[in-house]
Amino acid sequence: KNEVEQSPQNLTAQEGEFITINCSYSVGISALHWLQQHPGGGIVSLFMLSSGKKKHGRLIATINIQEKHSSLHITASHPRDSAVYICAVGGNRDDKIIFGKGTRLHILP
Amino acid sequence: DSGVTQTPKHLITATGQRVTLRCSPRSGDLSVYWYQQSLDQGLQFLIQYYNGEERAKGNILERFSAQQFPDLHSELNLSSLELGDSALYFCASSVGRGQLYGYTFGSGTRLTVV
Repeated sequence: KNEVEQSPQNLTAQEGEFITINCSYSVGISALHWLQQHPGGGIVSLFMLSSGKKKHGRLIATINIQEKHSSLHITASHPRDSAVYICAVGGNRDDKIIFGKGTRLHILP
Repeated sequence: DSGVTQTPKHLITATGQRVTLRCSPRSGDLSVYWYQQSLDQGLQFLIQYYNGEERAKGNILERFSAQQFPDLHSELNLSSLELGDSALYFCASSVGRGQLYGYTFGSGTRLTVV
């Protein structure tokens, strides 16, 4: 079993839909990161969470430390949101980073 | 432009060769991270340096080595290259050394081993 599991692996939705991507992890962490990778390959760091909830524009990220679970929400989705979204966790024993396999999101106009 | 500069953007080389990938962190950032992204493995953490010292090591092969110089730029050396080393290599930087800092990614170096 992978230490970081993301679901779904692939998601296709219509423009305007509310999107949720989930990340579960099995290790103790000091922080969880959500990353966005566009088709061209570039990676952008969206959020770093150690507790609670963060919001940036139409993106919301939450984390439940007790349940070892995080969600990334996109409100009013748009075709430009089409990308791979990657969850990554930083361990609380060292600075190693473990990545999920990513969720490929495709928003149809 | 993220502020993290990676060179070269593309590299094609033959098996058995040695290459050096370079990363200049964002101004003010002291940590540099190296990652490998291959089609079958996804993103994998290779190594982290903080202010010139190795901070954490991931799944980095013995054929690979890295260092961070006094001006904080970092180099990743890949030797005795194999076909399976073909991948995107990303560098990221952050201001601190722990996990409670956001990362800024470079645009990556695409390595093709033929």
